[in-house]
Amino acid sequence: TQLLEQSPQFLSIQEGENLTVYCNSSSVFSSLQWYRQEPGEGPVLLVTVVTGGEVKKLKRLTFQFGDARKDSSLHITAAQPGDTGLYLCAGGLNNDMRFGAGTRLTVKP
Amino acid sequence: DAGVTQSPTHLIKTRGQQVTLRCSPKSGHDTVSWYQQALGQGPQFIFQYYEEEERQRGNFPDRFSGHQFPNYSSELNVNALLLGDSALYLCASSLLGYNEKLFFGSGTQLSVL
Repeated sequence: TQLLEQSPQFLSIQEGENLTVYCNSSSVFSSLQWYRQEPGEGPVLLVTVVTGGEVKKLKRLTFQFGDARKDSSLHITAAQPGDTGLYLCAGGLNNDMRFGAGTRLTVKP
Repeated sequence: DAGVTQSPTHLIKTRGQQVTLRCSPKSGHDTVSWYQQALGQGPQFIFQYYEEEERQRGNFPDRFSGHQFPNYSSELNVNALLLGDSALYLCASSLLGYNEKLFFGSGTQLSVL
């Protein structure tokens, strides 16, 4: 059983569409991170959310941390082909980071 | 400023062999964590090294061992390779106490035949 459950597992959309992916857990985290990973590369940190209810925006990406600090969402507005990749959420546990299985996003031109 | 570097980038081994993977952390970082990422999965935590000692360990057998050197670089050793060990092995560096800011290398793709 994954500590962090991500949904959907796969998502294929057309350029210009909006989308939301989710990261859920039964555990409370002091912070959650979102990473994006492209083929043949390591994950790259996009954002860290710390406060329950916090919303952070990174250009067309909006990240939200749940009030209870157990879940998070990532919303992408007007998706572009360059957004294609594996989106991973991660939470701190016992001084190390644990990852979800990821959402594999494909944005078609 | 070099980021996290890993070597080799690709490796092919046969069952039962042993392998050593290497990682140089980002300049200024003192902590190295190793992750295994199977195809289609998220990274799974193997262990973390700080001050040349293993601080934390994930759910991996003793066949997986590591080392950190005084210059903070690190090695991951896997003995008695199994087919299921085929994966992308990622190294991440950070400052102790700042695990929410991990910097990853591009990984070593290990194939066990």
